[in-house]
Amino acid sequence: AQRVTQPEKLLSVFKGAPVELKCNYSYSGSPELFWYVQYSRQRLQLLLRHISRESIKGFTADLNKGETSFHLKKPFAQEEDSAMYYCALSGSARQLTFGSGTQLTVLP
Amino acid sequence: GAVVSQHPSRVICKSGTSVKIECRSLDFQATTMFWYRQFPKQSLMLMATSNEGSKATYEQGVEKDKFLINHASLTLSTLTVTSAHPEDSSFYICSARVEPGQGYNEQFFGPGTRLTVL
Repeated sequence: AQRVTQPEKLLSVFKGAPVELKCNYSYSGSPELFWYVQYSRQRLQLLLRHISRESIKGFTADLNKGETSFHLKKPFAQEEDSAMYYCALSGSARQLTFGSGTQLTVLP
Repeated sequence: GAVVSQHPSRVICKSGTSVKIECRSLDFQATTMFWYRQFPKQSLMLMATSNEGSKATYEQGVEKDKFLINHASLTLSTLTVTSAHPEDSSFYICSARVEPGQGYNEQFFGPGTRLTVL
């Protein structure tokens, strides 16, 4: 079975502060990990995937297989980063299992 | 990026009626589409995987006779909620997967359909 855990339902930081959204997963094989973002009144959209090892909108995420984590980080949060963030895992069946999500609020 | 549309965006129906929700991939072909259900302030729960030209695969606990899925073409999947009841009220979201041959394993999501059953 595959499972994704996001321990923080809500996270608030001030503008310019670093932010880290935690994600831990459980999967017996080699997973593909993703971060999806949902801005207010918009559809879910892909933010980044671990295989790309890219930085999108200043966000990065490193897959740590030892700790089974895929935390999302940004050194300087912006107000426009306020959104709902979902960590997701894709296993061999290529279906997505989502975490419960973290609502990030960046305060001015 | 690839665009997925859903229709209708919201629907209100009486208890006992059936409601059909359409999911379309607008600029790409999708042999696989997914249907999710999202309760308020909760995560997306996968209901079923819709495969073009074959029967859908339902997740455990999802009634296949209640939630009928048809994937008749490479750009259209439909979800029909039969004999809807108030507990079926929810936000239904579809996604379509870009196949590996077209680049990479990524799902593009529709905007969702808000179903309210009175």
